[in-house]
Amino acid sequence: GQNIDQPTEMTATEGAIVQINCTYQTSGFNGLFWYQQHAGEAPTFLSYNVLDGLEEKGRFSSFLSRSKGYSYLLLKELQMKDSASYLCAVCNNDYKLSFGAGTTVTVRA
Amino acid sequence: IAGITQAPTSQILAAGRRMTLRCTQDMRHNAMYWYRQDLGLGLRLIHYSNTAGTTGKGEVPDGYSVSRANTDDFPLTLASAVPSQTSVYFCASSANPEADQQFFGPGTRLTVL
Repeated sequence: GQNIDQPTEMTATEGAIVQINCTYQTSGFNGLFWYQQHAGEAPTFLSYNVLDGLEEKGRFSSFLSRSKGYSYLLLKELQMKDSASYLCAVCNNDYKLSFGAGTTVTVRA
Repeated sequence: IAGITQAPTSQILAAGRRMTLRCTQDMRHNAMYWYRQDLGLGLRLIHYSNTAGTTGKGEVPDGYSVSRANTDDFPLTLASAVPSQTSVYFCASSANPEADQQFFGPGTRLTVL
């Protein structure tokens, strides 16, 4: 079975940094995805990690440690528009995604 | 370019009725997926199709059926709706069924009374 854990909610101030952790125990591993989902909208792709280490893409970075079953998404220089849910998803043995319940990030002025 | 579209946007349905949710993509993607999203549970895979003419069961397939007659369309049918199928349904597609970025449609909010 799949077990993917991430915090339910996080709050941060505009301009700050927030780190969203994701731990997983899955049957096989073919990479980890992060998606952003604004309220009432569809999820949109943010990042994909398949090898250990940090991937940086503008204000967003994603880290993976396969041996620890751990990933984080780092959001820097927070803006109000970053208020959204962030979904961690693991690609398992049969290349299907298993999603965590999502972390709702609220950015305050 | 529309990407991936879903219809209807929302629907209220009486229990026991049959309902088909439509999904169309114009990206010529091989793989398509249906998810349901419920509060506190995240997205769960209902059915998928790796390529036109093939389908497979996901994590929560009971009460749902799909077909993939061509590359573009992937309808999801509820044969006899029940209140536990009240959810937001997202269709998604990816270029290939391997670990590839999925593109999501705007969703259908379904309420079964």
